[in-house]
Amino acid sequence: GESVGLHLPTLSVQEGDNSIINCAYSNSASDYFIWYKQESGKGPQFIIDIRSNMDKRQGQRVTVLLNKTVKHLSLQIAATQPGDSAVYFCAENGNSGGGADGLTFGKGTHLIIQP
Amino acid sequence: DAGVIQSPRHEVTEMGQEVTLRCKPISGHNSLFWYRQTMMRGLELLIYFNNNVPIDDSGMPEDRFSAKMPNASFSTLKIQPSEPRDSAVYFCASTRSGGDTQYFGPGTRLTVL
Repeated sequence: GESVGLHLPTLSVQEGDNSIINCAYSNSASDYFIWYKQESGKGPQFIIDIRSNMDKRQGQRVTVLLNKTVKHLSLQIAATQPGDSAVYFCAENGNSGGGADGLTFGKGTHLIIQP
Repeated sequence: DAGVIQSPRHEVTEMGQEVTLRCKPISGHNSLFWYRQTMMRGLELLIYFNNNVPIDDSGMPEDRFSAKMPNASFSTLKIQPSEPRDSAVYFCASTRSGGDTQYFGPGTRLTVL
C-alpha cells in the first residue's frame, strides 16, 4: 500500500547548526503535508504544514520544502537548539482542506543536538 | 485552551481485562481521531469521527476494539479482552470541521501483562 516514510532514523547535529530532515511519500494524490515534533512522553506537536500548490513555506526557524516531482519533502531547522531534540514525523492527508481524514505518518527521525 | 485531554495517562492491566481510554477534544473541534503508536509500527490511525459519527474504522485491529463518541466533548476507546500485543501509547487528536491541523493529546500508555 501507499505510505509515507523517512530516509534516516537518527540525525545528529551540532548546536547552532542547521538541520535538514527528509521525508518521501508515495501517494501521488497527497495534497497536504504536516511536520510534527514529538518529545519523550508527549504527544506529537504541530510544527508547520504545506499544501501541494506550494513548494516552500517558512515559519519561525523552520522551513518546509515540497518537491512534487520526486515526491519528497524536507524540514529545515535553522540554528538548532537543545530544545529541538525530539523525534520528527512527516504526515500526509490526501483530502484537500480536510482535517476530516486521518493522517498517514512516516516512521520518524530522531534529531539529536550535540553541545 | 486546555488542549486535548486524555485519561488515564498510564494504564497497567492483565491480559483478558477490559480497558477503557478516554478523550476530551478541544472545545469547538468537530473531528476526533484515535491513533496508536508502537516502536514497530509507528503512529497508526485506528478510527475517526466527524460530528460524533464514526467515519472510518478500517484501522481498528480487531473486534476486541471499539470506540464511541456519545457527544461532542467525549470519546472512549475500549479494548475487551485486552492482550499483551495491545501494549502501546494511544493518542487522541482533534481538529475543526474542515480544518487541517490535528492537535494531539498527551497519550495513554497502556501495558497489558
